[in-house]
Amino acid sequence: DAMVIQNPRYQVTQFGKPVTLSCSQTLNHNVMYWYQQKSSQAPKLLFHYYDKDFNNEADTPDNFQSRRPNTSFCFLDIRSPGLGDAAMYLCATSYRQAGETQYFGPGTRLLVL
Amino acid sequence: GENVEQHPSTLSVQEGDSAVIKCTYSDSASNYFPWYKQELGKRPQLIIDIRSNVGEKKDQRIAVTLNKTAKHFSLHITETQPEDSAVYFCAASLSGYSTLTFGKGTMLLVSP
Repeated sequence: DAMVIQNPRYQVTQFGKPVTLSCSQTLNHNVMYWYQQKSSQAPKLLFHYYDKDFNNEADTPDNFQSRRPNTSFCFLDIRSPGLGDAAMYLCATSYRQAGETQYFGPGTRLLVL
Repeated sequence: GENVEQHPSTLSVQEGDSAVIKCTYSDSASNYFPWYKQELGKRPQLIIDIRSNVGEKKDQRIAVTLNKTAKHFSLHITETQPEDSAVYFCAASLSGYSTLTFGKGTMLLVSP
């Protein structure tokens, strides 16, 4: 089945220790998104790629970086995680020419110790 | 930029009752309005969406209405069931040009 996959599902890291979250998709969608979601809040968009075109939200901290080496994969790098970065990180995809319906992956829950 | 307001923030109903969640948006150019359901610890899942060329869309017990003049859209769930309990998010975008702007969510609790 076509889907959005995120690994790992749970990630524990130490304060200040770099961490990378991954997302892959078999939908062949041209847009991939990274969201941060904290408890009882709406998903907050960090950035997105339209093909290889990177779009950063104005309020996304520099501590967050992303890479999209090919259509299928996208990575979220947190260079120096702080306690405030503990959250669920959601990857989503869409196909721009077919409207903006976004399909979410299962998420990675990040815990910072 | 777009701003989406969602009400109420929590909604409690008895099983079998109807539930209505309302959203307003600020950008009259927005033309795509999805609704997502998120169960605790799970991903947001698209349950229904509507585009600005229609005023209403229905899928079994779920319906969405759109009033472009007033810039608001609503989710209607009839014959609610306990498994409808979740957080529901509305969102808006200009299809092909902008990303989704989400409302803050409504926690729906359906009591047996």
